[in-house]
Amino acid sequence: GAGVSQSPSNKVTEKGKDVELRCDPISGHTALYWYRQSLGQGLEFLIYFQGNSAPDKSGLPSDRFSAERTGGSVSTLTIQRTQQEDSAVYLCASSPGRLKETQYFGPGTRLLVL
Amino acid sequence: EDQVTQSPEALRLQEGESSSLNCSYTVSGLRGLFWYRQDPGKGPEFLFTLYSAGEEKEKERLKATLTKKESFLHITAPKPEDSATYLCAVQAWSSGSRLTFGEGTQLTVNP
Repeated sequence: GAGVSQSPSNKVTEKGKDVELRCDPISGHTALYWYRQSLGQGLEFLIYFQGNSAPDKSGLPSDRFSAERTGGSVSTLTIQRTQQEDSAVYLCASSPGRLKETQYFGPGTRLLVL
Repeated sequence: EDQVTQSPEALRLQEGESSSLNCSYTVSGLRGLFWYRQDPGKGPEFLFTLYSAGEEKEKERLKATLTKKESFLHITAPKPEDSATYLCAVQAWSSGSRLTFGEGTQLTVNP
């Protein structure tokens, strides 16, 4: 079946602009995660959704970052007033939502803030 | 705080030269340890999940093992197509569903 999809695959924006990144999880997966991968750093957790609610948003680096999930499916990560340090690969993952589940990752969105 | 340390940072092997990658972890109550493979410009691809010390899993030339402090990814007779970055991640009972990743081992297999 289809895996996790993300769009756009690449995004170049100017400092101060807002960006929206989209994630389509695997069909039927109730859990959805956002991570960020920066050069020279490992993947860092941003936020976790179970259904449409976000029980863990502790990884969001600032209040410029927000995310929502609608219909228990698609999720959007929004970065307001982008800064150069926001440049990174943003990865989305989904899992069935059961205990001890594996997270399956999408291809990522490469964000470059000029 | 959950911590994952992978070594070496980079490893260069000749085709057929077996070796092991290490993942040391500190976590309060391991829920699961995950190995992923990541090719340049792509998202991590799931390889294995290990849940308890002593557990082992195999897939083609790869074998993952787990102790209470570390995990090893053994690569037997590697081929050039095994070249990738291998990522280790832990999930802790105290941290909910989030994964904490190491920085990865970049493996290059020369023909």
